[in-house]
Amino acid sequence: DQQVKQNSPSLSVQEGRISILNCDYTNSMFDYFLWYKKYPAEGPTFLISISSIKDKNEDGRFTVFLNKSAKHLSLHIVPSQPGDSAVYFCAASSTDRDDKIIFGKGTRLHILP
Amino acid sequence: DAMVIQNPRYQVTQFGKPVTLSCSQTLNHNVMYWYQQKSSQAPKLLFHYYDKDFNNEADTPDNFQSRRPNTSFCFLDIRSPGLGDAAMYLCATSRDGLEQYFGPGTRLTVT
Repeated sequence: DQQVKQNSPSLSVQEGRISILNCDYTNSMFDYFLWYKKYPAEGPTFLISISSIKDKNEDGRFTVFLNKSAKHLSLHIVPSQPGDSAVYFCAASSTDRDDKIIFGKGTRLHILP
Repeated sequence: DAMVIQNPRYQVTQFGKPVTLSCSQTLNHNVMYWYQQKSSQAPKLLFHYYDKDFNNEADTPDNFQSRRPNTSFCFLDIRSPGLGDAAMYLCATSRDGLEQYFGPGTRLTVT
């Protein structure tokens, strides 16, 4: 039973355009959300996070939006660059319960020239 | 640079032959994790240490064991690898249980 769902296995976006990666969660106890980026043959690297007390967090070209009522978050990358081609994992945590985060299956983003 | 190091990067073992994967960190984080990731799947948490406290996931097979002799090192022992254990094994660390820092992973092949 997946608690964190990334329903798009892959996404192709033209270089320079906006990439939007989506994530849904089912556990209402989750209050902290993270995005990780993974290149082939490397471990995931932390990209950006958001606490449930916020609905938006921005870091350079990356913005994460959180819609708590819909249990939905999205990662926006603008403008998309060739180096953004990677697998993006959405993850969620319940900060007052344990030290674990639950990952989604990932979305492979292809940036097209 | 502070980092999470995993050795070896690639490991080939025979069916049923015990294998140990290692992880070390220079971040001085108190939490260390082991994940198993198969192709197109989410990383699956096997267990984690909060300091010396070991936390096993309920669905982690008994075939998988872990040791953390000190803050910097953590080992994953697979006592009798099966073909289904072929995967990428990821070690991660965290200071606060939220943001986790991953090593590059060890890809295990079972022949």
